[in-house]
Amino acid sequence: DGGITQSPKYLFRKEGQNVTLSCEQNLNHDAMYWYRQDPGQGLRLIYYSQIVNDFQKGDIAEGYSVSREKKESFPLTVTSAQKNPTAFYLCASTPDRGHEKLFFGSGTQLSVL
Amino acid sequence: GESVGLHLPTLSVQEGDNSIINCAYSNSASDYFIWYKQESGKGPQFIIDIRSNMDKRQGQRVTVLLNKTVKHLSLQIAATQPGDSAVYFCAERYAGNMLTFGGGTRLMVKP
Repeated sequence: DGGITQSPKYLFRKEGQNVTLSCEQNLNHDAMYWYRQDPGQGLRLIYYSQIVNDFQKGDIAEGYSVSREKKESFPLTVTSAQKNPTAFYLCASTPDRGHEKLFFGSGTQLSVL
Repeated sequence: GESVGLHLPTLSVQEGDNSIINCAYSNSASDYFIWYKQESGKGPQFIIDIRSNMDKRQGQRVTVLLNKTVKHLSLQIAATQPGDSAVYFCAERYAGNMLTFGGGTRLMVKP
C-alpha cells in the first residue's frame, strides 16, 4: 500500500532531551511537510522540503530541526530548545511543489514527562 | 491526537439529514481551497478541493461551494452517516504560498 508512515504513534520527552519523529513516504512525492496541531487550533507549519537536501522554515521552526537526505524520508527533531513541545505532529507530502492536496500521515503525539 | 478538537464549534445533525459546514477565509486573492476530515487520533483525510475559478464542485456525497464575494466556503454532506462524525477543517492558499488552515468544526451525527 502506498502512503505516509509516521512513527512512533506516541512519544515521551524528558527535560533537556532531543527526540526524533520519523516520516517515510512511498508515494514518490517531491514535497514533504511537518505540521504541529494543538487543541482547537489550525495546523501550523514547522518545516517543509520540496527537494532532496533542501528544506525551508515554516511559521514555527524555532526549536525544531529537519533533514531530507532521501526523497522518501523527512525526519523531524524536537530539540530541548522547544519549551512547549506537547502537541500532535503531522507529516504530509504532495506530488508537486504547488502546495496542493496534501496527503497526511497518522500523526505522532508527543508529550513531556 | 485525542485532544484535537477541544473548544471547537460543534454541529450536531440527525443521521440521514444533510450537513453544512462553513468556513470563512481571510484573503480575497486566495486561489485554492481544500477540505479535510480528521477523526480522533488520526491524520487529516482529503475530502474535496476547489479552485477560485469555480463556484461549486461535487464529489461523492459532498459538495463544496465557494462564495468569493463574502469570502465564504462551505462543505455540504448529503445523507449524513455516523461514520461522518469527525472534525472538518478548511484551508486556503494565497498566491502559491503554503496552505493556511482553519481551526475546524466538530460534526456529531445522532443516530
